[in-house]
Amino acid sequence: DQQVKQNSPSLSVQEGRISILNCDYTNSMFDYFLWYKKYPAEGPTFLISISSIKDKNEDGRFTVFLNKSAKHLSLHIVPSQPGDSAVYFCAASGSGAGSYQLTFGKGTKLSVIP
Amino acid sequence: KAGVTQTPRYLIKTRGQQVTLSCSPISGHRSVSWYQQTPGQGLQFLFEYFSETQRNKGNFPGRFSGRQFSNSRSEMNVSTLELGDSALYLCASSPGDGYQPQHFGDGTRLSIL
Repeated sequence: DQQVKQNSPSLSVQEGRISILNCDYTNSMFDYFLWYKKYPAEGPTFLISISSIKDKNEDGRFTVFLNKSAKHLSLHIVPSQPGDSAVYFCAASGSGAGSYQLTFGKGTKLSVIP
Repeated sequence: KAGVTQTPRYLIKTRGQQVTLSCSPISGHRSVSWYQQTPGQGLQFLFEYFSETQRNKGNFPGRFSGRQFSNSRSEMNVSTLELGDSALYLCASSPGDGYQPQHFGDGTRLSIL
């Protein structure tokens, strides 16, 4: 069973507008969440993370929101730029022995149209 | 600061052979994790090493093994290769304590003929 789900395989957004990527999880033991961006032929690049004690974390154009009761997180990119076009992965980990085992969603391909 | 380095970038093997992949973590990082990425299954966790000890293991057969050296460099070995082992193998490193993000290398693309 998929413990981390990204239900939108793809998303198209106009340059300058907001991109919102969504992620749902089922395992209540997850307490650390991350977003990665991946270009073809490259490894995933870390973007931003959030721990379960927070509900929002910002870094420049990127903001991650966490709704623990709904087991849902989202990544907002404002404003979107053509260079943001990539596959975005949501990942989660638990505490203790599971801290370094990331569980990934299947990814959302973001296309930012100039 | 140098990133995570994986060698080789590409590898072609035949069924039944074995293969060893190498990973050099970011300087100062003591945790190294390995992941397999395939079109069907996505990114899946293989195992994680910290201070030369395997701390966590994913749901893969015993043909997949790894080790970590005293300088934190890590190797991953796959024996008796099967066609289904064709994948991108990614290594990631982190400091190894607390909530710190893992940083990935560009991977080794393994193709089994």
